[in-house]
Amino acid sequence: EAQVTQNPRYLITVTGKKLTVTCSQNMNHEYMSWYRQDPGLGLRQIYYSMNVEVTDKGDVPEGYKVSRKEKRNFPLILESPSPNQTSLYFCASSKLAGGADTQYFGPGTRLTVL
Amino acid sequence: AQSVSQHNHHVILSEAASLELGCNYSYGGTVNLFWYVQYPGQHLQLLLKYFSGDPLVKGIKGFEAEFIKSKFSFNLRKPSVQWSDTAEYFCAVNADNTDKLIFGTGTRLQVFP
Repeated sequence: EAQVTQNPRYLITVTGKKLTVTCSQNMNHEYMSWYRQDPGLGLRQIYYSMNVEVTDKGDVPEGYKVSRKEKRNFPLILESPSPNQTSLYFCASSKLAGGADTQYFGPGTRLTVL
Repeated sequence: AQSVSQHNHHVILSEAASLELGCNYSYGGTVNLFWYVQYPGQHLQLLLKYFSGDPLVKGIKGFEAEFIKSKFSFNLRKPSVQWSDTAEYFCAVNADNTDKLIFGTGTRLQVFP
C-alpha cells in the first residue's frame, strides 16, 4: 500500500531535549516536505527536499533541521525544542515538485513541548 | 508574496444543504490550485485540483470547484452535504510551478443530521 508513515504519532517532551520525528514514503517520490499545522494558521511549510542531499527552507524553518540521506526518508530534527514548537506536524511527499503535483500526507505527529 | 485566503473559518450546515467555501489567492501569473480535506483524526487527502483546461473541476465525493481567473478565486461547492462531510477543508495554491505550496488557514465544516 502506497503510504507516508511518521513516528512517533504523539510525543510529549521538555524544553531543550533533542528529538527526531521520522518520515518515510514507499512511493519512490523525489519531493518531500514538512509542515506544521496550528489553529487559525493552517499549514505552514518548514523544510522541503527536492531529492537526496537537496533540501531548502520553507516559510518557518527556525528551530528545525532536516536531512535527506535516502530517497525514502526525511527526518525532522528539533535540536533544542521550545514550547512554541508545540504543534501538529505533517510530512508529505510527491513525485514532482510540491506545487505541481498531488501531495501525499502522513498521519501527523502531535508534539507537545513543556 | 503569494497568499491564500479562506474567509469562512467555521461553517455549520444541516444535511442536504448546499455548500460553498471561498478561496481567494493573490498572484497574477500561472497557478495550480488544490483543495485538500482533513477528516477528524485523519491525515490530509486531495479532494480535487486544477492545473489547466476546464475551469470547473470535479473531485471525489461529489465536490467540485470553479476557477475564476478574473476573481482570483477557486471556490469549493457541493450541492447537498452529508454528515460524513464534517471535516476541515484547505485550499492551496502554487505559483508558476515553483517548489512551494501555500495553504490557506482552513475552513472547519460541521454537518448536523
